[in-house]
Amino acid sequence: GAGVSQSPSNKVTEKGKDVELRCDPISGHTALYWYRQRLGQGLEFLIYFQGNSAPDKSGLPSDRFSAERTGESVSTLTIQRTQQEDSAVYLCASSLSVGLFYEQYFGPGTRLTVT
Amino acid sequence: DAKTTQPPSMDCAEGRAANLPCNHSTISGNEYVYWYRQIHSQGPQYIIHGLKNNETNEMASLIITEDRKSSTLILPHATLRDTAVYYCIVRVHSNSGYALNFGKGTSLLVTP
Repeated sequence: GAGVSQSPSNKVTEKGKDVELRCDPISGHTALYWYRQRLGQGLEFLIYFQGNSAPDKSGLPSDRFSAERTGESVSTLTIQRTQQEDSAVYLCASSLSVGLFYEQYFGPGTRLTVT
Repeated sequence: DAKTTQPPSMDCAEGRAANLPCNHSTISGNEYVYWYRQIHSQGPQYIIHGLKNNETNEMASLIITEDRKSSTLILPHATLRDTAVYYCIVRVHSNSGYALNFGKGTSLLVTP
């Protein structure tokens, strides 16, 4: 079946502009996660959604970052007034539910470059 | 979550076993050991996890020491497609979701 998809695959933007990244999770997956990965670094958690519960935003680095999810489907990550340090690959993952034993399936990521 | 330590890089000849170590000396009794890998330009992929018993699946085996302070991921017959960065993390089981925070992992290069 279809995996997690993300769009765009690449995004180049000028400093100060807003960007919106999209994630389409696997159908039926109630949990959705956003991560950031800077060049040569590990994975950095940003936010996760589970069903209709309030999202866990504990990983968002600043108030310029926000995310929304419509029900158990598409999610968008918005970065306002982008800065050069926002340059990274943004990865989305979904899982059947929350909990340690539900494997997270990752999308291919969106590579964001802020010039 | 307990911290993990992995060597930055390793080489392995194709067809041989790749043994990737991970130290987690501060692991607590209810923390599980998880392994993920990330092939270049792709998202991370789950491999295996365990608590204290050795585990095996179609991808790999996980050997956890008796004191649980370290573990080894074994790819029994490495192929060129196993070239990737391998991440070891420890995490407590939680019903409220879990975030994966990887360090730099071990970059495994499988050579012909």
